Amino acid sequence: GENVEQHPSTLSVQEGDSAVIKCTYSDSASNYFPWYKQELGKRPQLIIDIRSNVGEKKDQRIAVTLNKTAKHFSLHITETQPEDSAVYFCAALRGGFQKLVFGTGTRLLVSP
Amino acid sequence: NAGVTQTPKFQVLKTGQSMTLQCAQDMNHEYMSWYRQDPGMGLRLIHYSVGAGITDQGEVPNGYNVSRSTTEDFPLRLLSAAPSQTSVYFCASKSIPLGTVSYNEQFFGPGTRLTVL
Repeated sequence: GENVEQHPSTLSVQEGDSAVIKCTYSDSASNYFPWYKQELGKRPQLIIDIRSNVGEKKDQRIAVTLNKTAKHFSLHITETQPEDSAVYFCAALRGGFQKLVFGTGTRLLVSP
Repeated sequence: NAGVTQTPKFQVLKTGQSMTLQCAQDMNHEYMSWYRQDPGMGLRLIHYSVGAGITDQGEVPNGYNVSRSTTEDFPLRLLSAAPSQTSVYFCASKSIPLGTVSYNEQFFGPGTRLTVL
């Protein structure tokens, strides 16, 4: 089955810096890769996603890149703000199936 | 729409007790699932369902049962609680248009924090 690895487990940056979180997946048939943000004590919420027919997707300060050959994808947050502090999860889904497999999460701390 | 709702929000059980975590959604979603979240281990899939009467196991199904008698409800049963089941449990749902693969957003409920003593 699919296995998703996520790094780093914790990431501390200064406000205004960029943050990058990386994930690798094992199943070459996976073709959908969402990213979720979970604030303390809250539920995970989708912030951006990408399908395997696209190499990059942007939404304001957030971008996701996908390298199908290397089987890895990354979340990029530019101009970080304290409200970006949260746990971020990557996930992968294989077409034809419905199960999302999640990475272990990255705790991002943005210091003012 | 209330979205995905879960009850209770908090629960403390003694080892060996049984209980049911409730999950309901009002978005007419075909797919529903249960995850447990433990520190450093992310979200692990317990059981899932692609429609009423259809359920299947995820990564960590042992000690849990599910059923799906209606589209709206997907309860998770702990048969004999153990301290290893202390965790935060999230229910989630998403749509699967008939005959297609759904890349639609998966919505999570607010979670149930369970402690087993």
